[in-house]
Amino acid sequence: NAGVTQTPKFQVLKTGQSMTLQCAQDMNHEYMSWYRQDPGMGLRLIHYSVGAGITDQGEVPNGYNVSRSTTEDFPLRLLSAAPSQTSVYFCATYRQASGEQYFGPGTRLTVT
Amino acid sequence: KQEVTQIPAALSVPEGENLVLNCSFTDSAIYNLQWFRQDPGKGLTSLLLIQSSQREQTSGRLNASLDKSSGRSTLYIAASQPGDSATYLCASYSGNTPLVFGKGTRLSVIA
Repeated sequence: NAGVTQTPKFQVLKTGQSMTLQCAQDMNHEYMSWYRQDPGMGLRLIHYSVGAGITDQGEVPNGYNVSRSTTEDFPLRLLSAAPSQTSVYFCATYRQASGEQYFGPGTRLTVT
Repeated sequence: KQEVTQIPAALSVPEGENLVLNCSFTDSAIYNLQWFRQDPGKGLTSLLLIQSSQREQTSGRLNASLDKSSGRSTLYIAASQPGDSATYLCASYSGNTPLVFGKGTRLSVIA
């Protein structure tokens, strides 16, 4: 039982490049979400999903796309990376009934 | 829109001291409140979750309380140890969208 896994752990991109951050869970939780964490800003919600085929925007969605084709996977796509997207990205799952959240280990992204 | 505030932003205490971390939230219509620990460069570890119907939860040396009417939660750490040094985050859950986080309290316990 791996819980929530994220790949890659580290990534360096050049401005304008695109990439996908992967998130997978084996807890059969219906809800999944993506946060970014920046110094002094705390964790801010990017996008979330309440089930396969359903996604919604969070507080800071611009520059990011998501899709949810299966319960297990919730990838985050950066279409054209910008230095402002340098951050640590966390994926989380939660069960609506309890609201308890479980976090992945994070992806540290640097955009130069 | 829910806002979660944690004061102080940083705290330094000598080993063995009991301490309280504070968390306040603006919308009392929460489903639950969760406390997390984050070590430098690491992910978040869930410490305690308090449902809206509960007043407190305990785990070992940790005790979290919830007062919805005043919009406050506290995390009490007894007999602090250097291994407790980390950032502590609280987050509220309202049942329809993911958690809203405070910015955290960075705790240093000095041996």
